[in-house]
Amino acid sequence: DADVTQTPRNRITKTGKRIMLECSQTKGHDRMYWYRQDPGLGLQLIYYSFDVKDINKGEISDGYSVSRQAQAKFSLSLESAIPNQTALYFCATSDSREGTDTQYFGPGTRLTVL
Amino acid sequence: AQRVTQPEKLLSVFKGAPVELKCNYSYSGSPELFWYVQYSRQRLQLLLRHISRESIKGFTADLNKGETSFHLKKPFAQEEDSAMYYCALMEGSNYKLTFGKGTLLTVNP
Repeated sequence: DADVTQTPRNRITKTGKRIMLECSQTKGHDRMYWYRQDPGLGLQLIYYSFDVKDINKGEISDGYSVSRQAQAKFSLSLESAIPNQTALYFCATSDSREGTDTQYFGPGTRLTVL
Repeated sequence: AQRVTQPEKLLSVFKGAPVELKCNYSYSGSPELFWYVQYSRQRLQLLLRHISRESIKGFTADLNKGETSFHLKKPFAQEEDSAMYYCALMEGSNYKLTFGKGTLLTVNP
């Protein structure tokens, strides 16, 4: 769904660097989520936000922080990247008004930490 | 505690054969269950949700509360069904999804 975009799509960085992954959506959804996907582990929730003033930790928030700059933007930061944060990162959105609880995913950002 | 279990990492069938992707969950309340699918080079997308009781692309899934299962089935697999399938659980009304580890389905010609 092109309404949920992520930048960058690929990033290679070094241990200790600060990295920001950005997610934007034009769907007008109030809820946004960040997941990481690792081979054999499925998707794990990092952080989620139900509106601009609401930020919540997910299952694996250590080493990450987020910022909900606007309803349409939700950024994920790695303050000091480490190699085991190498993964595929997905942003997702959902609409509390929709009543279906369906989440719509972005294309993913492949992050490699050397 | 693992709340969603997909016991098969890989599943391979021939075109036209029936396919069943297993999903078991652990939750004491009333769960809401989903199947998401990720085709090659495409983003993750919803396939179906139990509450809709619908059939999408020939797939169905029935919630069995007694066995705490939500297996995905299709009577005749097609090559285009080859993808990674994730079962997901939403607990109550907290709107967070817990995903299983996924099953990679390969449908051979």
